[in-house]
Amino acid sequence: NAGVTQTPKFRVLKTGQSMTLLCAQDMNHEYMYWYRQDPGMGLRLIHYSVGEGTTAKGEVPDGYNVSRLKKQNFLLGLESAAPSQTSVYFCATSLGLPNEQFFGPGTRLTVL
Amino acid sequence: GENVEQHPSTLSVQEGDSAVIKCTYSDSASNYFPWYKQELGKRPQLIIDIRSNVGEKKDQRIAVTLNKTAKHFSLHITETQPEDSAVYFCAVSGGGADGLTFGKGTHLIIQP
Repeated sequence: NAGVTQTPKFRVLKTGQSMTLLCAQDMNHEYMYWYRQDPGMGLRLIHYSVGEGTTAKGEVPDGYNVSRLKKQNFLLGLESAAPSQTSVYFCATSLGLPNEQFFGPGTRLTVL
Repeated sequence: GENVEQHPSTLSVQEGDSAVIKCTYSDSASNYFPWYKQELGKRPQLIIDIRSNVGEKKDQRIAVTLNKTAKHFSLHITETQPEDSAVYFCAVSGGGADGLTFGKGTHLIIQP
């Protein structure tokens, strides 16, 4: 089993470009999360989903959109990238509440 | 929303000594308190967690203590080894679907 995977691993964008980050899981977990990690800031929640077809805003949702069309996939979109979105993005999944969250390997995004 | 403070931000100890990292939180309804270890360039991984109906939990050299009245919890690592060098994050959950609130991390350095 692959667990939680993220695509791509690295990406460099120019200001104003768009992109989509893919999180895929084969753990059959209902809950999925997108976090961003910045130096000295810990991990901050961007958006989350409690099941297929549902999404909700987290602590820092501005500039991002998400979709969960299939249970196993959670997509994070940046419509018009800004340098402030330079960060490492982690996807996580959880079986239930409250419970351990399993993290993907991360995507390092640089916006020039 | 929940506020989590973590101290110290950097901790240097001699190999074989003990290390203690402390976190405080603001929401008295919080009921799940995990600790994650993150090695350089890797994903966060759960090392131990505790729920609000328990005061202490041990797993070999690692222990977590929880004081719900004072709203703080601590990670204790005994007999530290070089492989313990990493960044450690505390987190808090109120049991809702909106993910974990993380502390800003502690960089633990084990001196040979």
